[in-house]
Amino acid sequence: GAGVSQSPSNKVTEKGKDVELRCDPISGHTALYWYRQRLGQGLEFLIYFQGNSAPDKSGLPSDRFSAERTGESVSTLTIQRTQQEDSAVYLCASSSSGEEQYFGPGTRLTVT
Amino acid sequence: QKEVEQNSGPLSVPEGAIASLNCTYSDRVSQSFFWYRQYSGKSPELIMSIYSNGDKEDGRFTAQLNKASQYVSLLIRDSQPSDSATYLCASRVGGKLIFGQGTELSVKP
Repeated sequence: GAGVSQSPSNKVTEKGKDVELRCDPISGHTALYWYRQRLGQGLEFLIYFQGNSAPDKSGLPSDRFSAERTGESVSTLTIQRTQQEDSAVYLCASSSSGEEQYFGPGTRLTVT
Repeated sequence: QKEVEQNSGPLSVPEGAIASLNCTYSDRVSQSFFWYRQYSGKSPELIMSIYSNGDKEDGRFTAQLNKASQYVSLLIRDSQPSDSATYLCASRVGGKLIFGQGTELSVKP
């Protein structure tokens, strides 16, 4: 079946602009997660959604970052007033059980 | 202190050998553990999950968990050049995964 999809695959933006990153989870997966991976680094947790529960936003690095999810489907991660340190690969994952997480291909964000 | 620690490597093994990858974690609340494989420029791919003490085998892969020692390992038997990648260890704390920095594995033909 179809895996997690993300768009765009690459995004180049100027410092100070806002960007929106999209994630489509695996159909039927109730949990959705966003992570960030800077070059040569491990993955950093950002936020996760589980069904209709309030999202866990504990990993968001600043108030410039926000995310929404419509029901149990698409999620959008928004970064306002982008900074060069926001440059990274943003990875989305989904899970049916809350245990095993399956990742999408990621969005590579470059802030110039 | 990092919550999940791995030796960054690179770990180099000859083709056909056993590769041993190790991971320690600091949070005793950690409930589940996962190994992901990440090829350069690609996203992480789940290869093993382990939830209870002991060994779990899947094909050429064996995951080992020792909660008393807060230690997780991954053994890859009969290593192949296609196994060359970065291996990420992760622990689940609440809903989120905490990742180590990854160990780079190189399998030489």
